[in-house]
Amino acid sequence: AQTVTQSQPEMSVQEAETVTLSCTYDTSESNYYLFWYKQPPSRQMILVIRQEAYKQQNATENRFSVNFQKAAKSFSLKISDSQLGDTAMYFCAFPAHNDMRFGAGTRLTVKP
Amino acid sequence: DARVTQTPRHKVTEMGQEVTMRCQPILGHNTVFWYRQTMMQGLELLAYFRNRAPLDDSGMPKDRFSAEMPDATLATLKIQPSEPRDSAVYFCASGFSPGIMNTEAFFGQGTRLTVV
Repeated sequence: AQTVTQSQPEMSVQEAETVTLSCTYDTSESNYYLFWYKQPPSRQMILVIRQEAYKQQNATENRFSVNFQKAAKSFSLKISDSQLGDTAMYFCAFPAHNDMRFGAGTRLTVKP
Repeated sequence: DARVTQTPRHKVTEMGQEVTMRCQPILGHNTVFWYRQTMMQGLELLAYFRNRAPLDDSGMPKDRFSAEMPDATLATLKIQPSEPRDSAVYFCASGFSPGIMNTEAFFGQGTRLTVV
């Protein structure tokens, strides 16, 4: 069974600094996607970034980028120039054939 | 602006009552997920539909929960009878997956259910 592990329940960062959130997963598949979702206090789940496993290049979306290490089954999210609006729960997600598994989440607080 | 629509946004009900939550997936999407979110358990997958067929509902308590897709524009999650432990936020999400592997899911705003 696929599992997704986020080992950092809570993190904090100063505004304008950089923070990295960790995620590891387990799968026997060779081709798949990986996602990071953000859930602000409004509770809306928002897709932040996606990575396709067959692509060597790490995905980037503005201030958000990933460090994808396929052999290590690691998929971390880097947030550069952190903003107060980045305060939220962040979930790593791994889709499989019949489901999409989420990690337990990391609560990120950006401090002014 | 395409979005997943869930109704109601909030529901307070008494124990033993039937609760029905509705979801309108994004037009053209062929997969629908139902999740339950609690502080203790995080995001739990309850049911998964592909092309309206239920493919996985192993995460759903079968004795009281049921999920259906009567047509491509409507998915429902029903709890009968409801219990206080069912209090949670229930999310519906939809996506388009042309192959076997799922791609990203787009979430509705959730239904916050409180059973007293």
